[in-house]
Amino acid sequence: QSVLTQPPSVSAAPGQKVTISCSGSSSNIENSYVSWYQQLPGTAPKLLIYENNKRPSGIPDRFSGSKSGTSATLGITGLQTGDEADYYCGTWDTSLSAGVFGGGTKLTVL
Amino acid sequence: EVQLVESGGDLVQPGGSLRLSCAASGFTFGSYAMSWVRQAPGKGLEWVSILSSSGGTTYYADSVKGRFTISRDNSKNTLYLQMNSLRAEDTALYYCAKGRKEGITEVLPDYWGQGTLVTVSS
Repeated sequence: QSVLTQPPSVSAAPGQKVTISCSGSSSNIENSYVSWYQQLPGTAPKLLIYENNKRPSGIPDRFSGSKSGTSATLGITGLQTGDEADYYCGTWDTSLSAGVFGGGTKLTVL
Repeated sequence: EVQLVESGGDLVQPGGSLRLSCAASGFTFGSYAMSWVRQAPGKGLEWVSILSSSGGTTYYADSVKGRFTISRDNSKNTLYLQMNSLRAEDTALYYCAKGRKEGITEVLPDYWGQGTLVTVSS
């Protein structure tokens, strides 16, 4: 059981938009920055979004992040088959004094 | 270019010990917190531990507290994870990861290594 809750899977057609939710609590998402990671099959996770809505250099603006209260959302527009991957949210939990991740969401581009 | 190369993963019997290493390059190692994150086969990411840039502050997941010890040698740009009293549920790919923000410990990673596999089985 993960501290952060994500939907197990989402799907959409190429070119469309998808959002992935991440639900937490006042001890994590509400009072800490949220990061999002993309894990392509057989590879290490890659940082997509940090500090809720900032993109590292090289990440296309098709990827966006937002946060409101105890929830965060990753948005992906202009879906491509190469976006098929597992996506994880993560943040720091001040009560646990530990990093925490969501259970991951598998994106299928139909 | 940031590079993180893990090593030390192996097959070990329940109750055994193992030490993982992570060789870092491409950034000022001593300025960043460093983490270990693991992923059991077919499962999601599980945060394991983090160590401050100076080595003075450590945090652990409850699942490994008292059994695992994180450490670093800033003169060798190397991160370690000493794993004792290993259990079957510790079987996973262990990733070394660099803290995203200089000088801050309570932060999630930006760069990740490719991982080293630990299998606990008799």
